[in-house]
Amino acid sequence: DIVMTQSPDSLAVSLGERATINCKSSQSVLYSSNNKDSLAWFQQKPGQPPKLLISWASSRESGVPDRFSGSGSGTDFTLTISSLQAEDVAVYYCQQYYSIPLTFGGGTKVDI
Amino acid sequence: QVQLQQSGPGLVKPSQTLSLTCDISGDSVSSNSAAWNWIRQSPSRGLEWLGRTYYRSKWYNDYAVSVKSRITIKADTSKNQFSLQLNSLTPEDTAVYYCAGGWALPNWGQGTLVTVSS
Repeated sequence: DIVMTQSPDSLAVSLGERATINCKSSQSVLYSSNNKDSLAWFQQKPGQPPKLLISWASSRESGVPDRFSGSGSGTDFTLTISSLQAEDVAVYYCQQYYSIPLTFGGGTKVDI
Repeated sequence: QVQLQQSGPGLVKPSQTLSLTCDISGDSVSSNSAAWNWIRQSPSRGLEWLGRTYYRSKWYNDYAVSVKSRITIKADTSKNQFSLQLNSLTPEDTAVYYCAGGWALPNWGQGTLVTVSS
C-alpha cells in the first residue's frame, strides 16, 4: 500500500496569510500514460463529505477559488492557500489514486 | 453534474450485515469511464477506502484487503445504483460510510453514520 504522510497535523494562520500543507507518498504516484501525478487534495468541513479541490497534483476543480493551488511531483506535494479566508477553516486531506488501495493522508486541520 | 444519494440503516447489531445503496443521477453506473467507490471515516481509522466497482465491457471489483473477506459491492443497472454489503460487523466497523464516484473521487454522497451496537 502507498502510505500518505501529511504535515503538519494542524496549523493556525491569520486571515489573509498563506497556509502551506505538505504531503509525502511512500512511492511515486506518477501515471505514465499522461505523465501526471495521481494526487488529489480534499477539503472537509464538519458534517460534510470531503470536497475535491485539486486533482493530478495541480489541476484545480471547477468552482474552486484560485487562492488554492497544488504543486509538487514524484513523492512530495504541497497544497497552498495563498490568502486564508474564514470559510477555509477545515481539515485538508491528500489522497493518491495511482494504485489500489486508494489511500488518504491523516489530515491537516487549518484554523484561524 | 453527478449527484449521489445514499440510503440505508444507521444502526446495525454486531455479527449482522450492513447494506447501503447509492443512487446515481447525472451519470450511468455502467459508464465505461466511471468508477463507483465506498469509503468510510472514523476517528480511529481516518478515511479508509473499502472498494469499488466499474464497467469496462464487463464488471470489475477491487476491495481493500482489510475487508475483502466480508465485502460485496454490486451495481444495479436497472436502478442506476450501486450497493455495499459488509458482513460480520463488529463495533470497529462503526463509522460514517460514503459512496463516491470517479477515479479522483470528485463526487460524494452525503454520508451515513453507521453504529454497530446491540
